[in-house]
Amino acid sequence: DAKTTQPTSMDCAEGRAANLPCNHSTISGNEYVYWYRQIHSQGPQYIIHGLKNNETNEMASLIITEDRKSSTLILPHATLRDTAVYYCIVRLTLPWGTASKLTFGTGTRLQVTL
Amino acid sequence: DTGVSQDPRHKITKRGQNVTFRCDPISEHNRLYWYRQTLGQGPEFLTYFQNEAQLEKSRLLSDRFSAERPKGSFSTLEIQRTEQGDSAMYLCASSSNLASENEQFFGPGTRLTVL
Repeated sequence: DAKTTQPTSMDCAEGRAANLPCNHSTISGNEYVYWYRQIHSQGPQYIIHGLKNNETNEMASLIITEDRKSSTLILPHATLRDTAVYYCIVRLTLPWGTASKLTFGTGTRLQVTL
Repeated sequence: DTGVSQDPRHKITKRGQNVTFRCDPISEHNRLYWYRQTLGQGPEFLTYFQNEAQLEKSRLLSDRFSAERPKGSFSTLEIQRTEQGDSAMYLCASSSNLASENEQFFGPGTRLTVL
């Protein structure tokens, strides 16, 4: 799996959008970008994933550049409960019925403040 | 709650003792993963089961570690002759074999402290 680079930490004011960048310059054509987050003392939680198109769900939006070498996770209206470590993971999603492990880096520690 | 559960949540043991952790995945999930997480680091993959078959093991899983999933449901992770370096959070995750469901659902973890 391709390696990712994320800032160590970021701050965001409550109610504002949190934009978390991730570089994955060695990503290959069949690798997806996944985002997980880990709130203190809990297991990681899936947020969103995408291949090349931008994706949106109830939690966040994922913007992937056209060359796929970087992406941005957007939390549109951050709250204090969004304070967590956010992991950007590049991972093969294999054909039907096959799984692959997640390779976590050290992530970005997002602190949402009042 | 029908999420992934792990037991115990905390374990303190003395060096040299054996410990066993249990993971109960989401009931319809046939895939089960074990990860280890040390302070300040992201989780590291240890091993993976599809049903009862252990299909992949990390080189982090030394001979002192053994994982089982005998009936394809719950799994156990045993560490023999624990060392202080084994102190970590041990996380279990499960996932479905449906191609559209690629996310892994994590349990709360078991925090091991080896004195």
